[in-house]
Amino acid sequence: DTEVTQTPKHLVMGMTNKKSLKCEQHMGHRAMYWYKQKAKKPPELMFVYSYEKLSINESVPSRFSPECPNSSLLNLHLHALQPEDSALYLCASSQPTGEGYTFGSGTRLTVV
Amino acid sequence: GQQVMQIPQYQHVQEGEDFTTYCNSSTTLSNIQWYKQRPGGHPVFLIQLVKSGEVKKQKRLTFQFGEAKKNSSLHITATQTTDVGTYFCAGRRGSTLGRLYFGRGTQLTVWP
Repeated sequence: DTEVTQTPKHLVMGMTNKKSLKCEQHMGHRAMYWYKQKAKKPPELMFVYSYEKLSINESVPSRFSPECPNSSLLNLHLHALQPEDSALYLCASSQPTGEGYTFGSGTRLTVV
Repeated sequence: GQQVMQIPQYQHVQEGEDFTTYCNSSTTLSNIQWYKQRPGGHPVFLIQLVKSGEVKKQKRLTFQFGEAKKNSSLHITATQTTDVGTYFCAGRRGSTLGRLYFGRGTQLTVWP
């Protein structure tokens, strides 16, 4: 299995809602990432997990809360988001030795 | 501020013409990666360059890493319509789990 699977593919949520994005990989990668991508912009790093521990938080607002339950799963919990948080949220994984990332197909999030 | 500069932002070519995108960093990079993102898709890893002056080829694609490890280029020979997409370079400084700084990308359009 050489894929990173993200669910849901699309999500519309209100500003008072709580939702979660899910990411799963079975490639044995021990580093996992959350990125945010706005239209016609490069991916922006949000969080890095290495061996299931949070190693980088790019000063992301607390309304985004990551969780890594095990080496295959990565979640992003969302609460009280703003319309400007609407974007494509990408999960990626890699070996900690720093090779290329395998990206999931993303969750396209719209906050209304 | 932007850590990796990438030009041009847009490139329109006729099928069969060549295409080049350039990345430049003000600081030495430990490695640089290249990704392709098709319209509506997610970034797909193409290659990683690590050594000073390294040149790698993948069919019609040629990747170079500068001698000073501060710049890189991707050249496509005889473009095809399947080459359409946005090409991102992503540079890393320091450790293998250090931040990957994405360039802003070059959006390639190929008309038949």
